[in-house]
Amino acid sequence: SQTIHQWPATLVQPVGSPLSLECTVEGTSNPNLYWYRQAAGRGLQLLFYSVGIGQISSEVPQNLSASRPQDRQFILSSKKLLLSDSGFYLCALRRASGGTDTQYFGPGTRLTVL
Amino acid sequence: AQSVTQLGSHVSVSEGALVLLRCNYSSSVPPYLFWYVQYPNQGLQLLLKYTSAATLVKGINGFEAEFKKSETSFHLTKPSAHMSDAAEYFCALRNTGNQFYFGTGTSLTVIP
Repeated sequence: SQTIHQWPATLVQPVGSPLSLECTVEGTSNPNLYWYRQAAGRGLQLLFYSVGIGQISSEVPQNLSASRPQDRQFILSSKKLLLSDSGFYLCALRRASGGTDTQYFGPGTRLTVL
Repeated sequence: AQSVTQLGSHVSVSEGALVLLRCNYSSSVPPYLFWYVQYPNQGLQLLLKYTSAATLVKGINGFEAEFKKSETSFHLTKPSAHMSDAAEYFCALRNTGNQFYFGTGTSLTVIP
């Protein structure tokens, strides 16, 4: 079965600093990958999804960007963080399972912007 | 348009009591529906999913959900709450596209 790794687990960054969050997957090839943000006390907001290397779809205009340099690597970046970027960032993959495609989530990265 | 609505952002039940978490959906095509659980500072874990094979779906940890097309609902239930059930629960929908639509979540508190 597939495994999703997210690095780092927690991060505290000052406003205006750059950001790079990494998601890597094992046990599957050519996965559809997703980045979500979960703000405190709120639901999941889809930020980006990728169906393959170099293919990124952005769902919400903002100061974040995503890249897919390798099949099993999905990176979330920012050149200058805002206070509103604080939240819990989740990487997910989509996999066919038991009659339908299902999303499976990584452990998440807690980002605090001060 | 597709959407998921979870009624009640916070639900409290006594240990041993029935758990009922509500989810209603809107979809222009027959949907696939999911329930996920999230423990503090962790990712989401799949509880169960509806794929049209059966309207009553059984999941992990004693949870189950029933798909009711006439009510556009997919409520999550568990006959007897356990302390370890305290968590955030998310209902989600997928249609034929690449995207999954999540509800805003329901926080379940279990009172000893």
